[in-house]
Amino acid sequence: EAGVTQFPSHSVIEKGQTVTLRCDPISGHDNLYWYRRVMGKEIKFLLHFVKESKQDESGMPNNRFLAERTGGTYSTLKVQPAELEDSGVYFCASSLFGGETQYFGPGTRLLVL
Amino acid sequence: GENVEQHPSTLSVQEGDSAVIKCTYSDSASNYFPWYKQELGKRPQLIIDIRSNVGEKKDQRIAVTLNKTAKHFSLHITETQPEDSAVYFCAASSRSNFGNEKLTFGTGTRLTIIP
Repeated sequence: EAGVTQFPSHSVIEKGQTVTLRCDPISGHDNLYWYRRVMGKEIKFLLHFVKESKQDESGMPNNRFLAERTGGTYSTLKVQPAELEDSGVYFCASSLFGGETQYFGPGTRLLVL
Repeated sequence: GENVEQHPSTLSVQEGDSAVIKCTYSDSASNYFPWYKQELGKRPQLIIDIRSNVGEKKDQRIAVTLNKTAKHFSLHITETQPEDSAVYFCAASSRSNFGNEKLTFGTGTRLTIIP
């Protein structure tokens, strides 16, 4: 069974540009989570989808971040315009509806210059 | 909201010795406590978890203990091996109808096993 996949693995952009990250959860997983780890600090929650609905977006830092999960399959996280402090590793995780274990993707390493 | 503290931030252990990492949490509603291991450049992987109705759980060389009253839980690795070197994260979460809610992570412990 394929695990959670994320694209791209790395992205280097300039301040003010736009970047879109993609996450493909494990097939059949209704729960999809986005997290971020900034500069060696803890992994912090951004938001949680149940199917196509946003269940919890309390961790989204500001309105420059937009997450979508149209159709309840893959999800995208767009940062527009990117700022220096957005640099970090963005992780996606998924779990079964009613499940406990969250399976993580390999992350997208974002560097904003 | 939930706050998870993790200690130590770095830990060096001689191969074959034991390693212990400790975490505390603040929200008494939290009832699920996973531990993730992240090797360099790889994804965080679940290595063991414990629910609040259990005090201890063991899986080969790895064990986790939970003290609900004190709101702390610990990871114990015995007979450490070089492949145990990684960053370990503790986390806390609570359940809802659709599964677990967000994970709140500790700041991580970089474990180095010295051959």
